[in-house]
Amino acid sequence: SQTIHQWPATLVQPVGSPLSLECTVEGTSNPNLYWYRQAAGRGLQLLFYSVGIGQISSEVPQNLSASRPQDRQFILSSKKLLLSDSGFYLCALIPGTGGGYTFGSGTRLTVV
Amino acid sequence: GDSVTQMEGPVTLSEEAFLTINCTYTATGYPSLFWYVQYPGEGLQLLLKATKADDKGSNKGFEATYRKETTSFHLEKGSVQVSDSAVYFCALSDSIRVWGAQKLVFGQGTRLTINP
Repeated sequence: SQTIHQWPATLVQPVGSPLSLECTVEGTSNPNLYWYRQAAGRGLQLLFYSVGIGQISSEVPQNLSASRPQDRQFILSSKKLLLSDSGFYLCALIPGTGGGYTFGSGTRLTVV
Repeated sequence: GDSVTQMEGPVTLSEEAFLTINCTYTATGYPSLFWYVQYPGEGLQLLLKATKADDKGSNKGFEATYRKETTSFHLEKGSVQVSDSAVYFCALSDSIRVWGAQKLVFGQGTRLTINP
């Protein structure tokens, strides 16, 4: 069965520090991978998606970046975090179990 | 572009009450529609889906019918339980034209609290 591993589960980082969130996938090959962010009290915003190794597309301009160095690895990064980067970051893949997406358990990032 | 609008929360109900969470959408073409649930501190889980008009998705006592004429996909449950307390997201599938990748467009989410 498909599994998405995200770590860490929670993270507190100071403003201006770098960020690296990792997402790894098991149980599927060549998935489309996605990074979503859920800000406090708000819905889900698509940040990046990838259809293959080295192929990244950004949905919104921001100080975040993404990379896909391997088929089952998707990394979200920032060189300098902003307060507005706080939120709940979710990695997802398609095709997911039962259709639609399979989501990871998320990383809660607080920038202080 | 495509969009999803959900009824604003939070919604608070007593156990065994009837639940409706409204969801309407705008889309070009014929998207698939989904309901996802997010329990406290967790990621999203697929609750149910419908892929064409008049389809009814159902799971765990929840139902939603794809209504093309009203562009709606309302979530319903006849008798809610405390364990149903969560945030519910309505979503539609959309095709990203570049590379043909698919993405989901989500509503803002509705927080549901069920009191015993």
